[in-house]
Amino acid sequence: DAGITQSPRHKVTETGTPVTLRCHQTENHRYMYWYRQDPGHGLRLIHYSYGVKDTDKGEVSDGYSVSRSKTEDFLLTLESATSSQTSVYFCASGQGSSQETQYFGPGTRLLVL
Amino acid sequence: GENVEQHPSTLSVQEGDSAVIKCTYSDSASNYFPWYKQELGKGPQLIIDIRSNVGEKKDQRIAVTLNKTAKHFSLHITETQPEDSAVYFCAASETGGSYIPTFGRGTSLIVHP
Repeated sequence: DAGITQSPRHKVTETGTPVTLRCHQTENHRYMYWYRQDPGHGLRLIHYSYGVKDTDKGEVSDGYSVSRSKTEDFLLTLESATSSQTSVYFCASGQGSSQETQYFGPGTRLLVL
Repeated sequence: GENVEQHPSTLSVQEGDSAVIKCTYSDSASNYFPWYKQELGKGPQLIIDIRSNVGEKKDQRIAVTLNKTAKHFSLHITETQPEDSAVYFCAASETGGSYIPTFGRGTSLIVHP
């Protein structure tokens, strides 16, 4: 398995607080992605990165920001958490179009009260 | 953009039966179609993929078929076992440039012993 980890694995927070989720990969993959998974919606892309400091929005990016200062780390920030952001968040990495396989992390379960 | 429809959302079979999950896509430029398996509490993991220049691909008990004219592809699992119970996701994408797959909403497969 590709070395991709997420932290924290579980988090409970209150509405209006900022939250940062971390993704770390040891495969030197160029691409990294953040998805959220909700019942009935499958995997929806929040943001992705195609290199250090190169990021772009996905289909559900409102209320989220990302940063990638190093190849191995991709941070997802909820600027002011809302109850609608309660979800399971998955990070993935891959080489992109040369080798399309995405490797997913174990997920972070976030509850916003 | 691409739109991927996946059916059924839930599939219940008896051990030893076959299971078929179907996906349709909308963008004729899509040429890469992976399938992921997600076990409970884990991230999705690639199990098989197919490219547009191939009509069928097999790997032991799983196979994927692709009909480019009709824009649909299917996952076939034969001789199902309880450990096949999981959520399965299909995806479609165009290779070249940024690799941003679009996922179906998932199928929960339950294999009864």
